[in-house]
Amino acid sequence: DADVTQTPRNRITKTGKRIMLECSQTKGHDRMYWYRQDPGLGLRLIYYSFDVKDINKGEISDGYSVSRQAQAKFSLSLESAIPNQTALYFCATSDPRQTTGELFFGEGSRLTVL
Amino acid sequence: ILNVEQSPQSLHVQEGDSTNFTCSFPSSNFYALHWYRWETAKSPEALFVMTLNGDEKKKGRISATLNTKEGYSYLYIKGSQPEDSATYLCALGNTGGFKTIFGAGTRLFVKA
Repeated sequence: DADVTQTPRNRITKTGKRIMLECSQTKGHDRMYWYRQDPGLGLRLIYYSFDVKDINKGEISDGYSVSRQAQAKFSLSLESAIPNQTALYFCATSDPRQTTGELFFGEGSRLTVL
Repeated sequence: ILNVEQSPQSLHVQEGDSTNFTCSFPSSNFYALHWYRWETAKSPEALFVMTLNGDEKKKGRISATLNTKEGYSYLYIKGSQPEDSATYLCALGNTGGFKTIFGAGTRLFVKA
């Protein structure tokens, strides 16, 4: 089983709909991240969380919100999806004791907004 | 704004060819340089992390070097195999790693 699990893996929705992408991890890491991947661009950070009570905006947080329900769970919400949010979304974790910041990724959630 | 550049964007090689690609980054404020391997429909996985100028890392047929003074890293694959086909991501990590900046990746296709 994957250490970082994302659901759903694929989702097609319509403009204006609310969408939640969920991430759970069994690595016991405190730090969790949501990234977005678009063709021709590097992964871009949407939000990150250092623990259950900590939420931080990343580079491209507009139009997104997150919830850290537990150490193991970090969900990403699109309150009113729009077509330019069509992308591949990755959840990742890291161990703060590992100062080089290696990230451990889920398999991605592909979202299409029509 | 930090920018991580990778070249080429894509590369087609024959099985058995050796190949290399480049990651360029600003040499100021360097902390750590990561290489990740990402196969389609799978999770990106860390290959190497390097922190010191002159670092060289090797894993099987894949190796990487780091030059922090001039701001580049090379990834080498010796004797490419079809299973090496993937996107190779370079990323610049800050202290603590929570603001990692990714390059757009090099997509490698190895033809049998």
